[in-house]
Amino acid sequence: EDQVTQSPEALRLQEGESSSLNCSYTVSGLRGLFWYRQDPGKGPEFLFTLYSAGEEKEKERLKATLTKKESFLHITAPKPEDSATYLCAVQAPSGGSNYKLTFGKGTLLTVNP
Amino acid sequence: GAGVSQTPSNKVTEKGKYVELRCDPISGHTALYWYRQSLGQGPEFLIYFQGTGAADDSGLPNDRFFAVRPEGSVSTLKIQRTERGDSAVYLCASSLSNEQFFGPGTRLTVL
Repeated sequence: EDQVTQSPEALRLQEGESSSLNCSYTVSGLRGLFWYRQDPGKGPEFLFTLYSAGEEKEKERLKATLTKKESFLHITAPKPEDSATYLCAVQAPSGGSNYKLTFGKGTLLTVNP
Repeated sequence: GAGVSQTPSNKVTEKGKYVELRCDPISGHTALYWYRQSLGQGPEFLIYFQGTGAADDSGLPNDRFFAVRPEGSVSTLKIQRTERGDSAVYLCASSLSNEQFFGPGTRLTVL
């Protein structure tokens, strides 16, 4: 069974204080690893897809990296508007479907001004 | 362009009642997914449509849950004899390739 574990559960940063969020996964045959941002009362917003170990993607203050066992979401010089829950999900063949996502519980990030 | 839309945004019902939740995917997206998210948890897969057919319904918790997508666009998630444990946010997503784009969700509360 696919498993996704995110840590920490919650993280408080001061504005400008860089840090990383972790996503550890156990799957058979990873098709892709996805990062989403979710604001309170809203649906998840797509950020990145990573397909193979060593791959990196960047968007503004965010950079996602992937190894064979985990992914990191690095946040450089965060701003208060980066406060949100960050969700990690894996896509792997399971139950006849190649496309469903298995999510972790998320990391709640709070950036204080 | 328009994203995924879901109606209603909130639904309050009584235990034992029937509810329907609607999803309008991004135009042209052939794949459509339903997920359920409980408080403090990540979304949990329910069912996946490719076109009009359910390609994978392994996440539906029991036979009270059913979903249709008769014309390959709009989908309806139907829940019979609702229970308090069905209370959650029901999310819909659509995709053309691998990336899934989510709607705002329907918050279902069963009293």
